[in-house]
Amino acid sequence: QQPVQSPQAVILREGEDAVINCSSSKALYSVHWYRQKHGEAPVFLMILLKGGEQKGHDKISASFNEKKQQSSLYLTASQLSYSGTYFCGTPDPYNFNKFYFGSGTKLNVKP
Amino acid sequence: IAGITQAPTSQILAAGRRMTLRCTQDMRHNAMYWYRQDLGLGLRLIHYSNTAGTTGKGEVPDGYSVSRANTDDFPLTLASAVPSQTSVYFCASSERQGATDGYTFGSGTRLTVV
Repeated sequence: QQPVQSPQAVILREGEDAVINCSSSKALYSVHWYRQKHGEAPVFLMILLKGGEQKGHDKISASFNEKKQQSSLYLTASQLSYSGTYFCGTPDPYNFNKFYFGSGTKLNVKP
Repeated sequence: IAGITQAPTSQILAAGRRMTLRCTQDMRHNAMYWYRQDLGLGLRLIHYSNTAGTTGKGEVPDGYSVSRANTDDFPLTLASAVPSQTSVYFCASSERQGATDGYTFGSGTRLTVV
């Protein structure tokens, strides 16, 4: 039930853009996105609740296509502070208390 | 500062020993969770609690138990630790059941079972 993230790792120069994808073989009712810096706890970025919904958080935005069972996270004009591992996550459609995270995408932004 | 406090920060534990990881939140969140994080596997749910007095099993509950005597505390107990329980453990909370408002995570406990 774990969603699949791609790519596994990305290296960017400051100012470049990146896209991280999250897909599931099961129906998606919502998608969460988190960022975790090395040695720290994951930090909530955003949740997408509706099909086709898009949200933004500074220069980080995301889309959610319920029909395609996928979500994408867009990082625009990346900054050094964007470095970290990004996780998507989604609840079990039959039990919202159970939640499944992807294995993560490691983003490294270099000067 | 409002948030989640976990203790200890790290621990080396002999196999077969009993260990309780502590988690306290001061946000009055109804739901609390325990996750373990292993390299390459992401975060996996161990147990959850929607409200004081109730608990439920997550994806990987074997070898772990939890209790929720009040809103603020959600301890995780390893009855007899095994090396495969070496991991980083995160306690989390959410205001709403099913974390529809997102999780707030504690800073984690790094546990090594030898």
